[in-house]
Amino acid sequence: GQNIDQPTEMTATEGAIVQINCTYQTSGFNGLFWYQQHAGEAPTFLSYNVLDGLEEKGRFSSFLSRSKGYSYLLLKELQMKDSASFLCAAADSNYQLIWGAGTKLIIKP
Amino acid sequence: IAGITQAPTSQILAAGRRMTLRCTQDMRHNAMYWYRQDLGLGLRLIHYSNTAGTTGKGEVPDGYSVSRANTDDFPLTLASAVPSQTSVYFCASSATSGSPNEQFFGPGTRLTVL
Repeated sequence: GQNIDQPTEMTATEGAIVQINCTYQTSGFNGLFWYQQHAGEAPTFLSYNVLDGLEEKGRFSSFLSRSKGYSYLLLKELQMKDSASFLCAAADSNYQLIWGAGTKLIIKP
Repeated sequence: IAGITQAPTSQILAAGRRMTLRCTQDMRHNAMYWYRQDLGLGLRLIHYSNTAGTTGKGEVPDGYSVSRANTDDFPLTLASAVPSQTSVYFCASSATSGSPNEQFFGPGTRLTVL
């Protein structure tokens, strides 16, 4: 079957670094997406990885290991506004997105 | 209009009633999607459309129908609402369906079925 696993909730301190992990099992694989969703709002795109390695985009970086079925989102210099849910989604062989339940990130001052 | 709009923003509906959730995009995207989001679960695909005039079933299509008469509009209809259809519904679009494109989401419709 198809499955995405990510932690339900994480807590971090303002100014620190946090890593949100995601493991996936899909029928075929066409890349891994990360989205951010603030409470009561729509998901917004953060990153896309299809090749192994780290993609850096400002304070956010995303890593992919295809052989391990594993990705992580790294958030640096955390700000209070980063408090949100982070959704991991894998594109299967038909390019349909299989979504994880999301990781709620709580940031404390 | 900029991006994707959905209507209504929220709705309380009696069980057994028919309801249509509206979705319109102005980005000329070929592909459109309807998801439902429930607490503790990931976004689940209800129906999708790869291009105007075609639709397909997603993971949880039962009790829902869609149409795609033109590029911009993708309405979702609940023929006879049931309490288990209480959820937040998101419409999304992407440029194409045959490659891993970023999906853009509407603001969502919060539906409560009593």
